Amino acid sequence: DSGVTQTPKHLITATGQRVTLRCSPRSGDLSVYWYQQSLDQGLQFLIQYYNGEERAKGNILERFSAQQFPDLHSELNLSSLELGDSALYFCASSLAVLDSGEQFFGPGTRLTVL
Amino acid sequence: DAKTTQPTSMDCAEGRAANLPCNHSTISGNEYVYWYRQIHSQGPQYIIHGLKNNETNEMASLIITEDRKSSTLILPHATLRDTAVYYCIVRGISSGSARQLTFGSGTQLTVLP
Repeated sequence: DSGVTQTPKHLITATGQRVTLRCSPRSGDLSVYWYQQSLDQGLQFLIQYYNGEERAKGNILERFSAQQFPDLHSELNLSSLELGDSALYFCASSLAVLDSGEQFFGPGTRLTVL
Repeated sequence: DAKTTQPTSMDCAEGRAANLPCNHSTISGNEYVYWYRQIHSQGPQYIIHGLKNNETNEMASLIITEDRKSSTLILPHATLRDTAVYYCIVRGISSGSARQLTFGSGTQLTVLP
């Protein structure tokens, strides 16, 4: 158990819909990362938040957005969903005050878009 | 971050040492070698990292060649639970706050009974 929690575990929805994925980082971790893992693209970094502020962006679509709240939990919002958005979405956290390169990953949310 | 090359797949007999190679010929002096693994759709798990000295922890050993252009992750006594995709990541450490990891394709290690 990494200490990172993600909800829901599974999500099935239809094209065009909007969903919200939630992540609670390990206690004390200030940085939250979102990654997407699809069959054809592998594990790809989407976005990072540090203590409530966006810190880095990766291959995140404009239809996707995220935020980190004062209690440090984070939400990833996916809108106008397409079939290709079906993937595993992982959240990871790290202390981030010092960059050790060690990140702790949650169990993921499996999104299926029908 | 430097590019890494890993074999697509490897097999190992249960109880034997699993040696997973990684080439990173363009690594620069301040870049570390990290290993993560992902067991069947679970979240990736940190294993170990090193700069130039060999490192060992309760999970594995990391051997980095003297020229730092390649490394080997060693699982000393592989078990069936070690079947996973193993990712070798080369990455600098920023002087400020942490940043993301860049995953490649990894090596699918299958431990055989």
